[in-house]
Amino acid sequence: AQKVTQAQTEISVVEKEDVTLDCVYETRDTTYYLFWYKQPPSGELVFLIRRNSFDEQNEISGRYSWNFQKSTSSFNFTITASQVVDSAVYFCALIDQTGANNLFFGTGTRLTVIP
Amino acid sequence: ETGVTQTPRHLVMGMTNKKSLKCEQHLGHNAMYWYKQSAKKPLELMFVYSLEERVENNSVPSRFSPECPNSSHLFLHLHTLQPEDSALYLCASSQEGGSPLHFGNGTRLTVT
Repeated sequence: AQKVTQAQTEISVVEKEDVTLDCVYETRDTTYYLFWYKQPPSGELVFLIRRNSFDEQNEISGRYSWNFQKSTSSFNFTITASQVVDSAVYFCALIDQTGANNLFFGTGTRLTVIP
Repeated sequence: ETGVTQTPRHLVMGMTNKKSLKCEQHLGHNAMYWYKQSAKKPLELMFVYSLEERVENNSVPSRFSPECPNSSHLFLHLHTLQPEDSALYLCASSQEGGSPLHFGNGTRLTVT
């Protein structure tokens, strides 16, 4: 069965600190996609990144970076030099072949960046 | 207008009322979704429509009834809801095949 675990429920950091959000997933399929979404207080889920199971290259986009490791079934998300605007709930999610129409979400990590 | 638009943003209804949530996407996607987000629970998929045909119904009670008249519009008809149905209802759209889902702002529903 598919499962996404975000063990960190809430994290608080001081502005300009780096922070890593953890995500561990479970799937029996060899083809799958992993996602990160951001949900600010406005409620809309904002797509950040998609990674397919055959591409283990890490990715960097500005202050954001993602570390995908199939050996540990993890897809961690790091924010460098955090800012107050980064305060939000962050969700990791998975689509695999078995649940092709279902984006399985973790329970989310609430990040608070303190000025 | 671009993206995924949901109306209303907030809805308060009694247990005997009938109301509908509306979702419209302007992205040319061929799949649309309803998700429910309750406090301290993972986002739960309720319904999926692909090319206007319902392809997923995750054991949702019959008091929730979806409708997809075309690929751009999705409705969720509500009747005789329970207080535990109070939640944020999120609509999303995507191209199929592992493409990212694009979400609307959601409708905050309170059942009294």
